[in-house]
Amino acid sequence: KNEVEQSPQNLTAQEGEFITINCSYSVGISALHWLQQHPGGGIVSLFMLSSGKKKHGRLIATINIQEKHSSLHITASHPRDSAVYICATQETSGSRLTFGEGTQLTVNP
Amino acid sequence: NAGVTQTPKFQVLKTGQSMTLQCAQDMNHNSMYWYRQDPGMGLRLIYYSASEGTTDKGEVPNGYNVSRLNKREFSLRLESAAPSQTSVYFCASSERGQWLYRLEAFFGQGTRLTVV
Repeated sequence: KNEVEQSPQNLTAQEGEFITINCSYSVGISALHWLQQHPGGGIVSLFMLSSGKKKHGRLIATINIQEKHSSLHITASHPRDSAVYICATQETSGSRLTFGEGTQLTVNP
Repeated sequence: NAGVTQTPKFQVLKTGQSMTLQCAQDMNHNSMYWYRQDPGMGLRLIYYSASEGTTDKGEVPNGYNVSRLNKREFSLRLESAAPSQTSVYFCASSERGQWLYRLEAFFGQGTRLTVV
């Protein structure tokens, strides 16, 4: 069974800081998702990665398949980035996702 | 585009009552999912439907039933609600590729259900 672990569980930063959230998983996967959950509850898909690196604005996601590890970076963080960030892995054998518990990010002005 | 739409957004039930959570997607996706999210846990899959006409159990199916009414709609039914079903429920959809499973998941806004 795939285990997905995120660190840290909680992260508080000052506006402008560079932020890193980590995700480790235990079995081979076909893809990894980074999701953002806003205080209102809605979940938005940020990235889907199967290798390398992707960048959207101030967000950067990387994945190392050999080490079974992914990171989500936020450059020049802003209070509106405050949310729960969730890592989820896609099984190679099907379409099911396994989710991490999430990282609560708070960015203070 | 509306994406994935769930109704209702909030619901309070008494123990033993029944209700159906509705989900619809307008992206012509083949696969749809129901998850529950509880404090201290990752999202857990209740049921999923890989394609129209098929449904399969996920990790935590007990106490729930689902119906894939058509390609757009996937409903979740609680026949006899229990306090342990107090949770936030998310519906999601994805397009199933024919090569590697390069899927992107789209989520609804969630339904906050309280069973008293």
